[in-house]
Amino acid sequence: NAGVMQNPRHLVRRRGQEARLRCSPMKGHSHVYWYRQLPEEGLKFMVYLQKENIIDESGMPKERFSAEFPKEGPSILRIQQVVRGDSAAYFCASSPLSGEETQYFGPGTRLLVL
Amino acid sequence: GENVEQHPSTLSVQEGDSAVIKCTYSDSASNYFPWYKQELGKRPQLIIDIRSNVGEKKDQRIAVTLNKTAKHFSLHITETQPEDSAVYFCAASMDGNKLVFGAGTILRVKS
Repeated sequence: NAGVMQNPRHLVRRRGQEARLRCSPMKGHSHVYWYRQLPEEGLKFMVYLQKENIIDESGMPKERFSAEFPKEGPSILRIQQVVRGDSAAYFCASSPLSGEETQYFGPGTRLLVL
Repeated sequence: GENVEQHPSTLSVQEGDSAVIKCTYSDSASNYFPWYKQELGKRPQLIIDIRSNVGEKKDQRIAVTLNKTAKHFSLHITETQPEDSAVYFCAASMDGNKLVFGAGTILRVKS
């Protein structure tokens, strides 16, 4: 029973490039959450998605960041025109159908912007 | 929106002693309170959680207590071991939505 999977585990980008982070939820889970963890800080909520729907994007920066969770395939967090301040660990978590609050985290993608 | 405060930011205990970490939350509508353990470079791992209809929950050496009136909840680790050393995060959420995390507590267990 595979857990939450994320790839790549490490990503290096130069300023101005695009970063695409992928998250495959646990089998049977239809809710995906993205969190960002800056170095030596806590986790901050970014966005909550269900299949083909964004439920809550209150934590997403207004520009350059977008997320999707298509009917088929992984959830994708996309960061356009990356800046050094985007360097962080990005974790996704998944939970089963509505009513089950427990969120299980993936291993994270560590983004480094040069 | 919800705000979660966590104390202390660092905690050092001797092996075998108990450790207590406390969190307060601001939104009385929050009804789910998990605790996560994160080792360096690893993912947050759920260690225990509690829902608002329960006042206390225990799992071996780990226990969580919840005081809804005061809006605070605590993590208790008894008989600490070196492998308990990690960063611990509390969180709060409402109805399975986003988790709002505390700032974390670095726990060091000295042997």
